[in-house]
Amino acid sequence: QKEVEQNSGPLSVPEGAIASLNCTYSDRVSQSFFWYRQYSGKSPELIMSIYSNGDKEDGRFTAQLNKASQYVSLLIRDSQPSDSATYLCAVNHNQGGKLIFGQGTELSVKP
Amino acid sequence: EAQVTQNPRYLITVTGKKLTVTCSQNMNHEYMSWYRQDPGLGLRQIYYSMNVEVTDKGDVPEGYKVSRKEKRNFPLILESPSPNQTSLYFCASRGTASNYGYTFGSGTRLTVV
Repeated sequence: QKEVEQNSGPLSVPEGAIASLNCTYSDRVSQSFFWYRQYSGKSPELIMSIYSNGDKEDGRFTAQLNKASQYVSLLIRDSQPSDSATYLCAVNHNQGGKLIFGQGTELSVKP
Repeated sequence: EAQVTQNPRYLITVTGKKLTVTCSQNMNHEYMSWYRQDPGLGLRQIYYSMNVEVTDKGDVPEGYKVSRKEKRNFPLILESPSPNQTSLYFCASRGTASNYGYTFGSGTRLTVV
């Protein structure tokens, strides 16, 4: 079992729709959770972090965390073609420097 | 501008020829890390450092060395590169709090022939 799992996609949504990206993790003591966006040929860019159960909103992005289910998600409202990228879920389980990434979900937003 | 700077951006080398990829950050971050990214395997952590002279292995440390003699620098050393180390490498840094995510450099594309 992989430590951090994501559907690889591609996930295709129409412009203006809500894109929903999901991630599960195996280590129950994980503390902090991150979503990164990576455009093709570019480096990962941090877009959201969350460490408490519930929702955290930042503009069009909402991160959701459910530690009991070991599940974290990212919602992108009013999706734009510029949101087309690979979204990486990352988990820090020991408050140290180790950060484990899922393989990423490719999102395509169609005009 | 706050950033993580890696050099070189592209490197082609031959098997067995020692090389160093440099990484520097100007944000006074305590934590630094190296990742490699391969198709189908995603981002995998090679080494990380919690502060000067404190380093630890990530998930794929074999064939790599690191050192942290200064807070701002964290070079990645391949003493005897092999073709299976052909990859895209990223350096990253972050502050102390665990809810801080890593900030990534622009990447180094390494080809070992």
